[in-house]
Amino acid sequence: NAGVTQTPKFQVLKTGQSMTLQCAQDMNHEYMSWYRQDPGMGLRLIHYSVGAGITDQGEVPNGYNVSRSTTEDFPLRLLSAAPSQTSVYFCASSYEAVGSNSPLHFGNGTRLTVT
Amino acid sequence: GEDVEQSLFLSVREGDSSVINCTYTDSSSTYLYWYKQEPGAGLQLLTYIFSNMDMKQDQRLTVLLNKKDKHLSLRIADTQTGDSAIYFCAEGHLTGRRALTFGSGTRLQVQP
Repeated sequence: NAGVTQTPKFQVLKTGQSMTLQCAQDMNHEYMSWYRQDPGMGLRLIHYSVGAGITDQGEVPNGYNVSRSTTEDFPLRLLSAAPSQTSVYFCASSYEAVGSNSPLHFGNGTRLTVT
Repeated sequence: GEDVEQSLFLSVREGDSSVINCTYTDSSSTYLYWYKQEPGAGLQLLTYIFSNMDMKQDQRLTVLLNKKDKHLSLRIADTQTGDSAIYFCAEGHLTGRRALTFGSGTRLQVQP
């Protein structure tokens, strides 16, 4: 099993550019989520999905879009990149959102810099 | 609202015990988790505790939960240099928004 795979590992964008961060999991997990990690602020939830076709906003959704057309994939789209979106982005998945049988499996992250 | 707080840094000597503390504000939290992040990697689940428990032990790890004070701690016995990492406390609910709320992380430095 590959687990949770995120691509790319590093990305530099200019302000105003758009891009998609890819996330795929091969564990047949229903729940997937995107977090951003900033120094001193821990992980903040951007968007999440409890199954194919279902997405919802997290704590910091502005400037990001998601879709969940398949169980395996959960891409995160930056519509018009801003320097405030410079961060490390983590995708995570689990069997269910919260519970004893639901450890979140994290990808290795995408380090994004917006200039 | 939900808020999870941790101290930012802890330094210990190899072989000593480490205690990482966390406080949370939401009394309806159902599960409380400890995750570990090594450099350049994602987070990995270390252990969790259900809100009706006071203590959970797993090899070198002991989790203590004080529900009255909304205080969670992680004790690592016989701390090794390989334990150097960032440790995140997180809380979750079985109802409402189905997502974990993470603290800002505690960087543990183990000195030889």
